[in-house]
Order: sequence, then structure tokens, then C-alpha cells
Amino acid sequence: QKEVEQDPGPLSVPEGAIVSLNCTYSNSAFQYFMWYRQYSRKGPELLMYTYSSGNKEDGRFTAQVDKSSKYISLFIRDSQPSDSATYLCAMRRHNAGNMLTFGGGTRLMVKP
Amino acid sequence: GAGVSQSPRYKVTKRGQDVALRCDPISGHVSLYWYRQALGQGPEFLTYFNYEAQQDKSGLPNDRFSAERPEGSISTLTIQRTEQRDSAMYRCASSDEVGPQYNEQFFGPGTRLTVL
Repeated sequence: QKEVEQDPGPLSVPEGAIVSLNCTYSNSAFQYFMWYRQYSRKGPELLMYTYSSGNKEDGRFTAQVDKSSKYISLFIRDSQPSDSATYLCAMRRHNAGNMLTFGGGTRLMVKP
Repeated sequence: GAGVSQSPRYKVTKRGQDVALRCDPISGHVSLYWYRQALGQGPEFLTYFNYEAQQDKSGLPNDRFSAERPEGSISTLTIQRTEQRDSAMYRCASSDEVGPQYNEQFFGPGTRLTVL
């Protein structure tokens, strides 16, 4: 079983919908939680990161971390066709180097 | 400014050949990471450097894989005696700080390696 699990999708939604993307993990030592967006044939780019549990909002994006359930979420409000990409969750431990453990990614398609 | 660059962007080689993949991090970034990304999967950690020192190579699959960063800037990932299972996208990332706090990693475009 992988340390970080993510539904591969694809997830298809109409423009303007609220999108919910999720990851579960097994390693309770993870302290930093990140969401990356990856467009086709491009490298991942950071959307948001959160330290420990809680919520963080940035524009149309909200990240939530529930460490007690080992579950993280990314919500996208008013989704746009330009949001169509693969979304990767990533995690790292504190005080253990900066290497990231990624989920497999969820492919999102927002239809106009 | 310029981002992380990698070369070549595409590499096709025959089984048994050695390949060298190059990463040029963002100028001034002290940490450099190598990941491997299979099609439809997330990146998988291989190794990383702080300055010229290799800090962790626990993700390297076997001893055919090695990496170096002799001057603390450009890094080379070398795969000896390539096998078909080595075919993947190899990604490099860099960050501008060391230490336990969060440091954003900036990813390069990757090198697509195909072993025939």
C-alpha cells in the first residue's frame, strides 16, 4: 500500500462547479501538506501548502488538513476550463529533509 | 528569472547503454532534488543535495543509478546499463533554503527517457 493515496479520476465537472480533491495518507509523521497542479507536458507547480492541521484559503482555492483522519482536501470554487490539469497532493515530514512524497494525482477536466 | 532547466528533454537509448541527465537549478538555489515520474503517477523521490553534498539517496532504485553535484550547482543523474523499466520522466527540482522549515520546490520540465 502506498503512503499517499489519491483517486486518479478523471473527474469531469461543468464550468462554475465546486471541485473537491482528496488524499489519504498512512504516515502520521507527515507535517507539511502541499497541492501541486500539473498541466500536460509540464512540471508540477505549487498551488498551496499547509503546515499541520487546519484550513488555508487562497482566492478560489481552499486546502484542508485533518491529521486525525489522515485526510487532506483541496476545494476549487467557480471552476474554470483553465483549471483542467492533474492535481497532485504531496507531503513531507518535519526535520527529515525536504523530500516530498506524492500521491498519484487526480486528473480534472472542467468543461465550458 | 529562469526556472529549473533540464537536458536533454527527450532521450531514447538502447538497453544496456549508459545515460546522463542534466539539471540546472534556479540560480542561487542551494538544494536540488531528483524525482522519477511514471506515466499517470506522481513523482517519486530519488535523491537530493544540499550544496554539493548528497543528503539522501534512499530513493535510488539500485546501484545502476547515481547522482552528483560537484560544484553545488548543476547536477547529473547517471543511469548505467539502462533497462526498459528505467523508462520514465525524470524530474529535477530546486529550493532556495536548507533546514527543517518548509521550502518550496520548483520543478523543471523533465527529461523523458525511453529505453528500447
